[in-house]
Amino acid sequence: EVQLVESGGGLVQPGGSLRLSCAASGFTFSTFWMSWVRQAPGKGLEWVANIKQDGSEKYYVDSVKGRFTISRDNAKNSLFLQMNSLRAEDTAVYYCARAPYGGYMSSWGQGTLVTVSS
Amino acid sequence: DIQMTQSPSSLSASVGDRVTITCRASQSISNYLNWYQQKPGRAPKLLMNRASSLESGVPSRFSGSGSGTDFTLTISSLQPEDFATYYCQQSYSNPPYSFGPGTKLEIK
Repeated sequence: EVQLVESGGGLVQPGGSLRLSCAASGFTFSTFWMSWVRQAPGKGLEWVANIKQDGSEKYYVDSVKGRFTISRDNAKNSLFLQMNSLRAEDTAVYYCARAPYGGYMSSWGQGTLVTVSS
Repeated sequence: DIQMTQSPSSLSASVGDRVTITCRASQSISNYLNWYQQKPGRAPKLLMNRASSLESGVPSRFSGSGSGTDFTLTISSLQPEDFATYYCQQSYSNPPYSFGPGTKLEIK
């Protein structure tokens, strides 16, 4: 069974940093693109970033470029999102998702809440 | 970047009704259009990819169609478990892979 478990969310002040993790199991992690998607409270879904199987390609939504970095450790079946210079508008539930061909997301974690507030 | 719109934004319907949700892209995306269902407090669930390819385990009452800029998701006979919010998402060419704003399907 595919499992994706996010962790690392919490309350952080504006301008601060946070590192999200996603532990993957039940599939061969190294053969899949992986993505992060977020959802602000009461709002819709926003695609944030994705990363190719070997980490050689990474893409970001414009609103996080230069502030967020997606990475992965295939040896540890783990996906990460380093978030710097956080803003109030980054407040959201962040989902880790498996993306078979980089585009659509076939499996999702339960999400981790990031709150940016003073 | 490609912008996605959905209509209606909300919809009231009864069990057994046939409903259609429309999604439109700001430019042609071929058939790189995906549909998700999300229930309150839960992660989204992929219903179909490439406009009409149903995910394993998704009931056949769900169907999708369209290409280019205009797409539809149809539920042929609503069941109680189908009341949720539905999102379309484009995955054409390079990212970002934007979502539509969602359609909330409510019980009449």
